[in-house]
Amino acid sequence: AQSVAQPEDQVNVAEGNPLTVKCTYSVSGNPYLFWYVQYPNRGLQFLLKYITGDNLVKGSYGFEAEFNKSQTSFHLKKPSALVSDSALYFCAVRDLYNFNKFYFGSGTKLNVKP
Amino acid sequence: GAGVSQTPSNKVTEKGKYVELRCDPISGHTALYWYRQSLGQGPEFLIYFQGTGAADDSGLPNDRFFAVRPEGSVSTLKIQRTERGDSAVYLCASSSPGGGGNTGELFFGEGSRLTVL
Repeated sequence: AQSVAQPEDQVNVAEGNPLTVKCTYSVSGNPYLFWYVQYPNRGLQFLLKYITGDNLVKGSYGFEAEFNKSQTSFHLKKPSALVSDSALYFCAVRDLYNFNKFYFGSGTKLNVKP
Repeated sequence: GAGVSQTPSNKVTEKGKYVELRCDPISGHTALYWYRQSLGQGPEFLIYFQGTGAADDSGLPNDRFFAVRPEGSVSTLKIQRTERGDSAVYLCASSSPGGGGNTGELFFGEGSRLTVL
Protein backbone atom coordinates (compact mmCIF):
# COMPACT_ATOMS: atom_id res chain seq x y z
CA ALA A 1 0.00 0.00 0.00
CA GLN A 2 1.11 3.54 -0.60
CA SER A 3 1.08 6.25 2.02
CA VAL A 4 2.64 9.54 2.99
CA ALA A 5 3.38 10.92 6.41
CA GLN A 6 3.73 14.50 7.53
CA PRO A 7 5.52 14.39 10.88
CA GLU A 8 4.80 17.98 11.88
CA ASP A 9 1.31 19.21 12.69
CA GLN A 10 2.55 22.79 12.64
CA VAL A 11 5.56 24.74 11.40
CA ASN A 12 6.31 28.28 12.54
CA VAL A 13 8.68 30.52 10.62
CA ALA A 14 9.42 34.22 10.47
CA GLU A 15 8.74 36.13 7.30
CA GLY A 16 11.78 36.25 5.05
CA ASN A 17 13.28 33.06 6.49
CA PRO A 18 13.46 29.81 4.55
CA LEU A 19 10.75 27.27 5.23
CA THR A 20 10.58 23.49 5.02
CA VAL A 21 7.49 21.34 5.36
CA LYS A 22 8.35 17.68 5.68
CA CYS A 23 6.85 14.66 3.94
CA THR A 24 7.99 11.06 3.85
CA TYR A 25 6.49 8.35 1.69
CA SER A 26 6.04 4.62 1.70
CA VAL A 27 5.65 3.18 -1.79
CA SER A 28 6.54 -0.22 -3.17
CA GLY A 29 7.61 1.18 -6.53
CA ASN A 30 8.46 4.52 -8.08
CA PRO A 31 6.37 7.16 -6.34
CA TYR A 32 4.35 9.91 -7.93
CA LEU A 33 4.28 12.66 -5.30
CA PHE A 34 2.35 15.89 -4.97
CA TRP A 35 1.92 18.92 -2.76
CA TYR A 36 -1.35 20.76 -2.29
CA VAL A 37 -2.12 23.88 -0.26
CA GLN A 38 -5.39 24.79 1.47
CA TYR A 39 -6.00 28.41 2.38
CA PRO A 40 -8.71 29.19 4.96
CA ASN A 41 -12.20 28.64 3.54
CA ARG A 42 -10.78 27.63 0.19
CA GLY A 43 -10.43 24.33 -1.67
CA LEU A 44 -7.13 22.53 -1.96
CA GLN A 45 -4.87 23.89 -4.69
CA PHE A 46 -2.22 22.00 -6.59
CA LEU A 47 1.31 23.28 -5.94
CA LEU A 48 3.70 20.87 -7.61
CA LYS A 49 4.43 17.26 -8.47
CA TYR A 50 7.26 14.80 -8.89
CA ILE A 51 6.82 12.12 -11.53
CA THR A 52 10.29 11.42 -12.79
CA GLY A 53 13.47 13.24 -13.75
CA ASP A 54 15.10 16.07 -11.84
CA ASN A 55 14.87 15.57 -8.09
CA LEU A 56 14.21 19.25 -7.50
CA VAL A 57 10.82 20.31 -8.79
CA LYS A 58 9.53 23.85 -8.90
CA GLY A 59 5.92 24.82 -8.46
CA SER A 60 3.55 27.67 -7.88
CA TYR A 61 4.14 30.70 -5.64
CA GLY A 62 7.90 30.15 -5.47
CA PHE A 63 7.66 26.74 -3.80
CA GLU A 64 9.90 23.83 -4.66
CA ALA A 65 10.27 20.30 -3.41
CA GLU A 66 13.16 17.89 -3.33
CA PHE A 67 12.66 14.20 -3.99
CA ASN A 68 15.12 12.09 -2.01
CA LYS A 69 14.90 8.40 -2.78
CA SER A 70 17.38 7.23 -0.14
CA GLN A 71 15.49 9.06 2.59
CA THR A 72 12.05 8.41 1.05
CA SER A 73 11.27 12.09 1.47
CA PHE A 74 9.66 14.84 -0.54
CA HIS A 75 10.04 17.98 1.53
CA LEU A 76 8.44 21.24 0.45
CA LYS A 77 10.68 24.30 0.57
CA LYS A 78 10.70 28.00 -0.09
CA PRO A 79 13.78 30.24 0.23
CA SER A 80 11.93 33.22 1.72
CA ALA A 81 8.57 32.83 3.45
CA LEU A 82 5.72 35.30 3.13
CA VAL A 83 2.95 35.91 5.62
CA SER A 84 0.54 35.03 2.82
CA ASP A 85 2.06 31.52 2.68
CA SER A 86 0.32 30.73 5.96
CA ALA A 87 -1.99 27.84 5.16
CA LEU A 88 -2.45 24.10 5.49
CA TYR A 89 -0.16 22.00 3.31
CA PHE A 90 -0.83 18.44 2.22
CA CYS A 91 1.54 15.93 0.70
CA ALA A 92 -0.01 13.22 -1.48
CA VAL A 93 1.02 10.10 -3.37
CA ARG A 94 -0.73 8.54 -6.33
CA ASP A 95 -1.77 4.92 -6.20
CA LEU A 96 0.60 2.82 -8.31
CA TYR A 97 -2.16 0.76 -9.91
CA ASN A 98 -5.10 3.13 -9.86
CA PHE A 99 -3.84 6.39 -11.26
CA ASN A 100 -6.88 8.28 -10.17
CA LYS A 101 -6.64 7.47 -6.49
CA PHE A 102 -4.50 9.70 -4.30
CA TYR A 103 -3.49 9.25 -0.68
CA PHE A 104 -3.04 12.43 1.32
CA GLY A 105 -1.04 13.10 4.46
CA SER A 106 -2.64 14.56 7.55
CA GLY A 107 -1.50 18.06 6.73
CA THR A 108 0.92 20.60 8.20
CA LYS A 109 -0.20 24.04 9.30
CA LEU A 110 2.34 26.65 8.27
CA ASN A 111 2.38 29.86 10.27
CA VAL A 112 4.50 32.67 8.90
CA LYS A 113 4.87 35.54 11.35
CA PRO A 114 5.72 39.10 10.28
CA GLY B 1 -18.41 27.89 -13.85
CA ALA B 2 -14.96 29.11 -13.09
CA GLY B 3 -14.29 26.53 -10.40
CA VAL B 4 -15.73 23.47 -8.71
CA SER B 5 -18.90 24.42 -6.91
CA GLN B 6 -20.26 22.49 -3.93
CA THR B 7 -23.58 22.92 -2.18
CA PRO B 8 -24.52 23.25 0.55
CA SER B 9 -21.43 24.70 2.16
CA ASN B 10 -22.76 23.66 5.54
CA LYS B 11 -25.30 21.04 6.49
CA VAL B 12 -26.46 20.19 9.97
CA THR B 13 -28.68 17.16 10.32
CA GLU B 14 -29.86 14.72 12.89
CA LYS B 15 -28.74 11.16 13.27
CA GLY B 16 -30.73 8.86 11.02
CA LYS B 17 -31.61 11.46 8.41
CA TYR B 18 -30.86 11.37 4.69
CA VAL B 19 -28.44 13.88 3.17
CA GLU B 20 -27.50 14.90 -0.37
CA LEU B 21 -24.39 16.86 -1.24
CA ARG B 22 -23.99 18.32 -4.68
CA CYS B 23 -20.92 18.98 -6.81
CA ASP B 24 -20.76 20.97 -10.03
CA PRO B 25 -17.34 20.39 -11.64
CA ILE B 26 -15.37 22.63 -13.94
CA SER B 27 -16.95 22.67 -17.38
CA GLY B 28 -15.36 20.09 -19.64
CA HIS B 29 -13.78 18.07 -16.84
CA THR B 30 -14.71 14.45 -17.35
CA ALA B 31 -13.16 13.11 -14.17
CA LEU B 32 -14.84 13.80 -10.83
CA TYR B 33 -13.78 12.72 -7.36
CA TRP B 34 -15.29 12.72 -3.90
CA TYR B 35 -13.04 12.85 -0.85
CA ARG B 36 -13.86 13.09 2.84
CA GLN B 37 -11.79 15.12 5.27
CA SER B 38 -12.26 14.51 8.95
CA LEU B 39 -10.99 16.97 11.53
CA GLY B 40 -7.20 16.96 11.70
CA GLN B 41 -6.86 14.51 8.84
CA GLY B 42 -6.04 14.69 5.18
CA PRO B 43 -8.60 14.03 2.45
CA GLU B 44 -9.63 10.39 2.15
CA PHE B 45 -10.70 8.96 -1.22
CA LEU B 46 -14.33 7.95 -1.57
CA ILE B 47 -15.22 7.55 -5.23
CA TYR B 48 -14.07 8.49 -8.72
CA PHE B 49 -16.19 9.03 -11.83
CA GLN B 50 -15.02 9.05 -15.41
CA GLY B 51 -17.98 10.43 -17.30
CA THR B 52 -21.23 9.03 -15.99
CA GLY B 53 -19.88 5.83 -14.51
CA ALA B 54 -18.24 5.23 -11.17
CA ALA B 55 -14.83 3.94 -12.19
CA ASP B 56 -13.77 3.30 -8.61
CA ASP B 57 -16.02 3.34 -5.56
CA SER B 58 -13.66 1.41 -3.32
CA GLY B 59 -13.43 4.25 -0.81
CA LEU B 60 -17.11 4.39 0.09
CA PRO B 61 -17.18 3.30 3.74
CA ASN B 62 -20.41 1.28 3.59
CA ASP B 63 -23.66 0.89 1.69
CA ARG B 64 -25.17 3.96 3.31
CA PHE B 65 -23.04 6.01 0.96
CA PHE B 66 -23.88 6.32 -2.72
CA ALA B 67 -22.96 8.76 -5.49
CA VAL B 68 -24.34 9.42 -8.93
CA ARG B 69 -23.40 11.46 -11.95
CA PRO B 70 -26.23 10.80 -14.38
CA GLU B 71 -25.28 13.20 -17.17
CA GLY B 72 -21.54 13.22 -16.74
CA SER B 73 -21.41 16.62 -15.15
CA VAL B 74 -23.04 17.36 -11.78
CA SER B 75 -22.62 14.69 -9.13
CA THR B 76 -24.57 14.03 -5.96
CA LEU B 77 -23.22 12.21 -2.93
CA LYS B 78 -26.03 10.60 -0.98
CA ILE B 79 -25.79 9.45 2.61
CA GLN B 80 -28.59 7.41 4.16
CA ARG B 81 -29.31 6.96 7.87
CA THR B 82 -26.57 9.40 8.83
CA GLU B 83 -24.44 8.68 11.87
CA ARG B 84 -22.41 11.03 14.04
CA GLY B 85 -19.25 9.51 12.62
CA ASP B 86 -20.22 10.78 9.18
CA SER B 87 -19.50 14.34 10.32
CA ALA B 88 -16.71 15.67 8.11
CA VAL B 89 -15.99 17.98 5.22
CA TYR B 90 -16.90 16.33 1.94
CA LEU B 91 -14.67 17.52 -0.87
CA CYS B 92 -15.33 17.27 -4.56
CA ALA B 93 -12.63 17.60 -7.19
CA SER B 94 -12.51 17.44 -10.95
CA SER B 95 -9.79 17.12 -13.53
CA SER B 96 -9.37 17.54 -17.25
CA PRO B 97 -9.75 14.77 -19.81
CA GLY B 98 -6.98 12.29 -19.23
CA GLY B 99 -7.76 12.42 -15.58
CA GLY B 100 -5.92 13.58 -12.52
CA GLY B 101 -3.94 10.40 -12.77
CA ASN B 102 -2.06 11.80 -15.74
CA THR B 103 -1.25 15.22 -14.38
CA GLY B 104 -1.89 14.90 -10.66
CA GLU B 105 -3.69 18.19 -10.77
CA LEU B 106 -7.06 17.96 -9.15
CA PHE B 107 -9.24 21.05 -8.84
CA PHE B 108 -11.06 21.02 -5.53
CA GLY B 109 -14.21 22.74 -4.40
CA GLU B 110 -14.46 24.41 -1.01
CA GLY B 111 -16.26 21.44 0.44
CA SER B 112 -19.53 20.71 2.18
CA ARG B 113 -19.26 20.57 5.95
CA LEU B 114 -21.62 17.95 7.30
CA THR B 115 -22.47 17.86 11.00
CA VAL B 116 -24.60 15.02 12.30
CA LEU B 117 -26.07 15.69 15.72
